[in-house]
Amino acid sequence: KQEVTQIPAALSVPEGENLVLNCSFTDSAIYNLQWFRQDPGKGLTSLLLIQSSQREQTSGRLNASLDKSSGRSTLYIAASQPGDSATYLCAVRDDYKLSFGAGTTVTVRA
Amino acid sequence: EAGVAQSPRYKIIEKRQSVAFWCNPISGHATLYWYQQILGQGPKLLIQFQNNGVVDDSQLPKDRFSAERLKGVDSTLKIQPAKLEDSAVYLCASSLPNYEQYFGPGTRLTVT
Repeated sequence: KQEVTQIPAALSVPEGENLVLNCSFTDSAIYNLQWFRQDPGKGLTSLLLIQSSQREQTSGRLNASLDKSSGRSTLYIAASQPGDSATYLCAVRDDYKLSFGAGTTVTVRA
Repeated sequence: EAGVAQSPRYKIIEKRQSVAFWCNPISGHATLYWYQQILGQGPKLLIQFQNNGVVDDSQLPKDRFSAERLKGVDSTLKIQPAKLEDSAVYLCASSLPNYEQYFGPGTRLTVT
């Protein structure tokens, strides 16, 4: 059974600092890995999807890396802004199913 | 393109009552998912439909939860009777088969 872990559970940084969010998974036989953002009381918004054959994916200030062999992914958010405050979840897809981590709640202080 | 629609957005019920949630997926998405997200946890898949057939319902508590997807489009998730531990956000998602999932805004259920 796939287990997905995100550490730390919460993070607080001053505006402008770069954010580094970690995700680890136990079974490396995955199809892809996805990072989501969740605002309070809202659904999930997909940020980046990395296929298992890729090492990284970039979108604007966001960059996600994937090391399948070690079961790790990292989401980098450059020059953080207060609007980046949210919970970030990673999910891995094996076969047809997504398995989620519990998320890292980020607060960016102005 | 319209997103995944869910209703109601919020529901408060007493334990042992019944409740139903509705989901309308993105047009053309054959695959529909229901997730349960308990506060502080990641979403957990309850049931996955491909068109109107069930692909996976291994984590659905079938003694109290039921779901259907009529005509392969809209879906309803029902809980009867509800327990305190069912308090959670219920998320619906849809996708093309084996493609990226798109999530609705969720229904927040409080059982008192």
